[in-house]
Amino acid sequence: GAGVSQSPSNKVTEKGKDVELRCDPISGHTALYWYRQSLGQGLEFLIYFQGNSAPDKSGLPSDRFSAERTGGSVSTLTIQRTQQEDSAVYLCASSLYSDSNQPQHFGDGTRLSIL
Amino acid sequence: QQQVKQSPQSLIVQKGGISIINCAYENTAFDYFPWYQQFPGKGPALLIAIRPDVSEKKEGRFTISFNKSAKQFSLHIMDSQPGDSATYFCAASGSGTYKYIFGTGTRLKVLA
Repeated sequence: GAGVSQSPSNKVTEKGKDVELRCDPISGHTALYWYRQSLGQGLEFLIYFQGNSAPDKSGLPSDRFSAERTGGSVSTLTIQRTQQEDSAVYLCASSLYSDSNQPQHFGDGTRLSIL
Repeated sequence: QQQVKQSPQSLIVQKGGISIINCAYENTAFDYFPWYQQFPGKGPALLIAIRPDVSEKKEGRFTISFNKSAKQFSLHIMDSQPGDSATYFCAASGSGTYKYIFGTGTRLKVLA
């Protein structure tokens, strides 16, 4: 497909475990964004990539959260030692380039549940 | 300064009616205002967007009205249909702030 692809679509894990969430952006899109959506809430910015570098990590909630992007394409968001408050939907978006006027296209997210 | 305030939180409209959702912002550097539609279990999908050099933009049944002096913008859904039932998010971004600042969302229900 031509859209942003995220996997897994659902993840249930025990508190204290590490999780990896994957995002495949739209082909050719240089900018990639991670957001978090808690139940009934708006979207909270986590991190932004331009190419493989992350100029803005300001939204990462704690040092348990990290992300990388390789080959200017696939990105992985890793949460270490998960806590119950990490339960949320994690959304990835991509845009052609990182300009404020560029529309961001979202995947369907990974629903993360921490038991 | 970075907040986008969205109202109402929820909205019920009869089929064929007009749905109106409002957003307000503070940061005058914002220069791009998209609206997203989200169905349960799906990611937000871009619906329509506006830049502050125009006061209104229409695409089909969806219209954005923009009031630069009041720092407000709104989404109007004409002839609302049950299939429009979803959560709608406004957002804003601006020069040097490529990340979107989202409103808290409006859950719209259109009654058949």
